[in-house]
Amino acid sequence: TQLLEQSPQFLSIQEGENLTVYCNSSSVFSSLQWYRQEPGEGPVLLVTVVTGGEVKKLKRLTFQFGDARKDSSLHITAAQPGDTGLYLCAGLSGNTGKLIFGQGTTLQVKP
Amino acid sequence: GAVVSQHPSRVICKSGTSVKIECRSLDFQATTMFWYRQFPKKSLMLMATSNEGSKATYEQGVEKDKFLINHASLTLSTLTVTSAHPEDSSFYICSARGPESYEQYFGPGTRLTVT
Repeated sequence: TQLLEQSPQFLSIQEGENLTVYCNSSSVFSSLQWYRQEPGEGPVLLVTVVTGGEVKKLKRLTFQFGDARKDSSLHITAAQPGDTGLYLCAGLSGNTGKLIFGQGTTLQVKP
Repeated sequence: GAVVSQHPSRVICKSGTSVKIECRSLDFQATTMFWYRQFPKKSLMLMATSNEGSKATYEQGVEKDKFLINHASLTLSTLTVTSAHPEDSSFYICSARGPESYEQYFGPGTRLTVT
């Protein structure tokens, strides 16, 4: 069974601070996707990383896919209250075509 | 990005009744759709995978006779919760994937409350 361990699960920080969310697995994924979800809404795709070692930037968000395609990180620089939400990583299983979700990280950025 | 809609966004029903939730891909053909359930402040739990024109594949522990899934066209999948009970109350989310894409796009979710 493929598992994706996401940490931390809860994070409360002040506006302007930096943070990193990690997703780790012992399994290799075809690709890894990061989503952001607000209460009462569906997850919104932020980025997909496909190649081992790939780094993608989306404004203040930096996503990295591990060389072995088993882990990924999301780094937010100078967090804003608007970044508050649930962040989900999800690895695509090449065997089943299903997304394996991490536990999620609830981020609260206080003004 | 691709757009997926869900209807209704909220539904309240009485125990013992059935409720149908629709999931539509609005601007692409979804050969595969997925149904998830989410508890408060938790991650998504995959319930079933449906491919257009074939029977859905259910995850372990999900009752196929209780959660009926139909994927009759390339843009529509439905989830029917039959004989609903209060413990079925949850946030149900669908996602859709195109034929040559590995990315899933999620609907806005449906909040089901069974009284």
